[in-house]
Amino acid sequence: GENVEQHPSTLSVQEGDSAVIKCTYSDSASNYFPWYKQELGKGPQLIIDIRSNVGEKKDQRIAVTLNKTAKHFSLHITETQPEDSAVYFCAADFGNEKLTFGTGTRLTIIP
Amino acid sequence: GAVVSQHPSRVICKSGTSVKIECRSLDFQATTMFWYRQFPKQSLMLMATSNEGSKATYEQGVEKDKFLINHASLTLSTLTVTSAHPEDSSFYICSAFISQGQDQPQHFGDGTRLSIL
Repeated sequence: GENVEQHPSTLSVQEGDSAVIKCTYSDSASNYFPWYKQELGKGPQLIIDIRSNVGEKKDQRIAVTLNKTAKHFSLHITETQPEDSAVYFCAADFGNEKLTFGTGTRLTIIP
Repeated sequence: GAVVSQHPSRVICKSGTSVKIECRSLDFQATTMFWYRQFPKQSLMLMATSNEGSKATYEQGVEKDKFLINHASLTLSTLTVTSAHPEDSSFYICSAFISQGQDQPQHFGDGTRLSIL
């Protein structure tokens, strides 16, 4: 079935260091992988996404890599800042326009 | 700015009450909207897909008579939690595609926190 696993569940990083969050998915038919940031009491906000015909995508301090063979994708945040503290969710679209979400990673940036 | 607006942001009501939540697309037409439920410290779980002009499609285990969805226009979908009970307390979030076509991002509203006493 369609499943997305996300690790780690919690991550604490010193301000200025990098943070990496990893996700694996079960169905090789998936072609679209967005990442969302959710702050307390708010809805998820799209921060970056990647499609299966691309191996890497970067937007300023945020990058996503995709390995279709291994069925995993990762979020990389460089030069972390306190405002990066939030819960991050990966997701995958298994071809039916529905998103299956990972279990989330609570990222804490230590000043 | 926000592209999907959700109202109300917070509801507290007594057990047995029916509660309506609105999801609006701002400055774009949304033929498809999605409704999710999120319990504390958990991930988002898709409840149903709201289709403009037709019946919603529900995920397995979601009671369609309990969670009524209406998508009567291209900019508005509503979720009504009927005869709500404490176990229905949760964070309800809607989303929509801004653009048509394959592999497009979903944009989310800011959620409605429902508390049933």
